[in-house]
Amino acid sequence: QSALTQPRSVSGSPGQSVTISCTGTSSDVGGYNYISWYQQHPGKAPKLIIYDVFKRPSGVPDRFSGSKSGNTASLTISGLQADDDTDYYCCSYVGRDSLNYVFGTGTKVTVL
Amino acid sequence: QVQLVESGGGVVQPGRSLRLSCAASGFMFSEYTMHWVRQAPGRGLEWVAVISNDGTIKYYADSVKGRFTISRDSSRKTLFLQMNSLIAEDTAIYYCARDRRLDCWGQGTLVTVSS
Repeated sequence: QSALTQPRSVSGSPGQSVTISCTGTSSDVGGYNYISWYQQHPGKAPKLIIYDVFKRPSGVPDRFSGSKSGNTASLTISGLQADDDTDYYCCSYVGRDSLNYVFGTGTKVTVL
Repeated sequence: QVQLVESGGGVVQPGRSLRLSCAASGFMFSEYTMHWVRQAPGRGLEWVAVISNDGTIKYYADSVKGRFTISRDSSRKTLFLQMNSLIAEDTAIYYCARDRRLDCWGQGTLVTVSS
């Protein structure tokens, strides 16, 4: 099972919006609505910010939103803030096989 | 509050074994699926293994299948990862995470495989 494909980096100015794509196949992203997104600051553990494609855990600002179309999921960060400058990973449930989950390759968001 | 604390990492020679632990608190451990995820230095996240809430269902990434074993002890609220036949590519920070959503993570424990 190959990692899901994310852009290496995206950037935007404070207040702007950026969108990160996460491309897989019909066996993972396209086959299930169990897509999640994680934010990871340097030296810290990942933090769940989106699950089940578009749902937000309590405490996560509504500036973060998720969607999916076909084999591609997307994370949009609106109203960019300095603290959003870090790494983001998508993750998809794959199914009852030897590889149950797969992560994306990761995207560095830079706030200009 | 919900807390996961990993331990057991360290430096180990290729071919040797290591057992990681993840102590859970602040939630009903026996009700949750649990995962191990790793991150090699400077690299992305890699899902490693999952175990069902009752310990009867386990799945592994191809990269560790046959070498790693995930287990749990609900009486001790602890998750384990037994790692055998370690290779250099297993060098990583190992995180435990809760639930199918991986909604809560520990701080990680570093495993370095080197001669």
